[in-house]
Amino acid sequence: NAGVTQTPKFRVLKTGQSMTLLCAQDMNHEYMYWYRQDPGMGLRLIHYSVGEGTTAKGEVPDGYNVSRLKKQNFLLGLESAAPSQTSVYFCASSPPGLAGGDEQFFGPGTRLTVL
Amino acid sequence: AQTVTQSQPEMSVQEAETVTLSCTYDTSENNYYLFWYKQPPSRQMILVIRQEAYKQQNATENRFSVNFQKAAKSFSLKISDSQLGDTAMYFCAFMKHAGPTGANSKLTFGKGITLSVRP
Repeated sequence: NAGVTQTPKFRVLKTGQSMTLLCAQDMNHEYMYWYRQDPGMGLRLIHYSVGEGTTAKGEVPDGYNVSRLKKQNFLLGLESAAPSQTSVYFCASSPPGLAGGDEQFFGPGTRLTVL
Repeated sequence: AQTVTQSQPEMSVQEAETVTLSCTYDTSENNYYLFWYKQPPSRQMILVIRQEAYKQQNATENRFSVNFQKAAKSFSLKISDSQLGDTAMYFCAFMKHAGPTGANSKLTFGKGITLSVRP
């Protein structure tokens, strides 16, 4: 049981380049999330999904797109990377639960640098 | 919108002593959940403890306990018998009670506090 995995772990991009971050979970969780972590800012939600084929915007969605074609995978795309997108990106997943409040399980993070 | 405030950026404690990390939040919701997550130098986010707002009893997990003051919107974490492995960044987080679509299952995090345990 690998839990939540993220690919790649590190990446350096040039301004304007595109890339996709892959998140995979093997816990059969319905909900998945993408966060970014910046120094002094905590974690901020970019996009999330409450089930296969659904996505929704979080707190800081601009410049990112997501897709959830399969229940176990949640992809985060940067179409034209900007230096402001230099950050550590975390994926998380959680079961729906009857009333929420369930633990979110986090991946190990991806450190992205945009030059 | 909910906000979570952790006003202390850094704290330090001697090994085996007790330390309390502060967190306040602002919400108009009556039903919600509060969490403390730990992020050690490995960067992995680990759930420490969870509190349901409708429960008056403070949550405890081994050496970790909370002081939940709903009226004051305060949620502090007490670490007893501090260990070197407790050195990490700690995040307080808020989650609204989920609706039927799960749309309220999002976490709102504070900015975190860096805790150092001295040998």
